[in-house]
Amino acid sequence: GENVEQHPSTLSVQEGDSAVIKCTYSDSASNYFPWYKQELGKRPQLIIDIRSNVGEKKDQRIAVTLNKTAKHFSLHITETQPEDSAVYFCAASGTGGFKTIFGAGTRLFVKA
Amino acid sequence: EAGVTQFPSHSVIEKGQTVTLRCDPISGHDNLYWYRRVMGKEIKFLLHFVKESKQDESGMPNNRFLAERTGGTYSTLKVQPAELEDSGVYFCASSPRVYTEAFFGQGTRLTVV
Repeated sequence: GENVEQHPSTLSVQEGDSAVIKCTYSDSASNYFPWYKQELGKRPQLIIDIRSNVGEKKDQRIAVTLNKTAKHFSLHITETQPEDSAVYFCAASGTGGFKTIFGAGTRLFVKA
Repeated sequence: EAGVTQFPSHSVIEKGQTVTLRCDPISGHDNLYWYRRVMGKEIKFLLHFVKESKQDESGMPNNRFLAERTGGTYSTLKVQPAELEDSGVYFCASSPRVYTEAFFGQGTRLTVV
């Protein structure tokens, strides 16, 4: 079945450094790739998304890249700040239906 | 604009009991999704409603789980009878269209003891 793998499961960086989270998906029919951030005790919220006809998208300190051939996509956070600490989920949808398949999440710690 | 709301926020029940979770999506959102997250694992898809119809229920684990969305507004997810492995956080999300941002509720933490 459809699968999204996410790495690493935990990431610790120093404030100001960059953080990169990588995901791979199994179904080449996937065409929409959102990233969600879940802060402690709060609901997941979309931070950025990318569609299959675009290779890269940037929003201030956050960027996402997509390699359709390799079926992987990555989240890049630059100049990390303590408030970036959260669990980040990648996801893929468009796989023979409308459901969204999520990765297992990456817990990001940004040390001040 | 009110967000997606879920009730209850927490529920502790004994094995064999029944629990019903409720989700009120954002008004006007035809698409409603149920997900479950077991500790430390992925947010796992359960099912997807478009209005009152079940578009995809391939993620429902077994027939102890029953979801409804009468009238295409709020949705309920009933677990009967509950088992220990049903414990987790159940999220509901809604969206106006597919392949767009899904707005999540705060989740219901279900603990089966």
